[in-house]
Amino acid sequence: QKEVEQDPGPLSVPEGAIVSLNCTYSNSAFQYFMWYRQYSRKGPELLMYTYSSGNKEDGRFTAQVDKSSKYISLFIRDSQPSDSATYLCAMRGYGQNFVFGPGTRLSVLP
Amino acid sequence: EAQVTQNPRYLITVTGKKLTVTCSQNMNHEYMSWYRQDPGLGLRQIYYSMNVEVTDKGDVPEGYKVSRKEKRNFPLILESPSPNQTSLYFCASSLHRGADTQYFGPGTRLTVL
Repeated sequence: QKEVEQDPGPLSVPEGAIVSLNCTYSNSAFQYFMWYRQYSRKGPELLMYTYSSGNKEDGRFTAQVDKSSKYISLFIRDSQPSDSATYLCAMRGYGQNFVFGPGTRLSVLP
Repeated sequence: EAQVTQNPRYLITVTGKKLTVTCSQNMNHEYMSWYRQDPGLGLRQIYYSMNVEVTDKGDVPEGYKVSRKEKRNFPLILESPSPNQTSLYFCASSLHRGADTQYFGPGTRLTVL
């Protein structure tokens, strides 16, 4: 079993839809959780960072962490074509290096 | 502009021909790392460095070398590249190992024939 699992997609949604992206993990030592967005032919860029269970909101994006279930989610409201990208979850334990999920490719259709 | 730069962006080479991919950051970051990205496997860490002259192996270090002689530069060296090292490589930096944000370079697409 991989340490971090993520549905690779592709996921296609119409503009304006609510998008739900998810990762599951197996290492209970993970304490810090991140979502990165990667556009085609670009490096990943940090979207959201959380270090506790619960929700964190930033504009149209909400990150949710459920440590008891070892499950994290990223919700995108009112999705736009400019949100079309690959979304990577990443996580790490205290003093450890990052572990990335394989990424979910999202297409938002106009 | 704060950034991480990598060169070259694209490289096609042959098996066994030594190559170096350069990485430089202008943010005075202590922590730098190299990743490779392969379909279905995501980003996997090759090597990292917590400061000048301090480097350590990541998850997939075989076939790679690194050095950190200056804070801003962290080159990745492939002494004898093989086809299984064909991949997309990213350099990243952050203020320190536990920092919230890693800044990624634009990537280097390497093909080894």
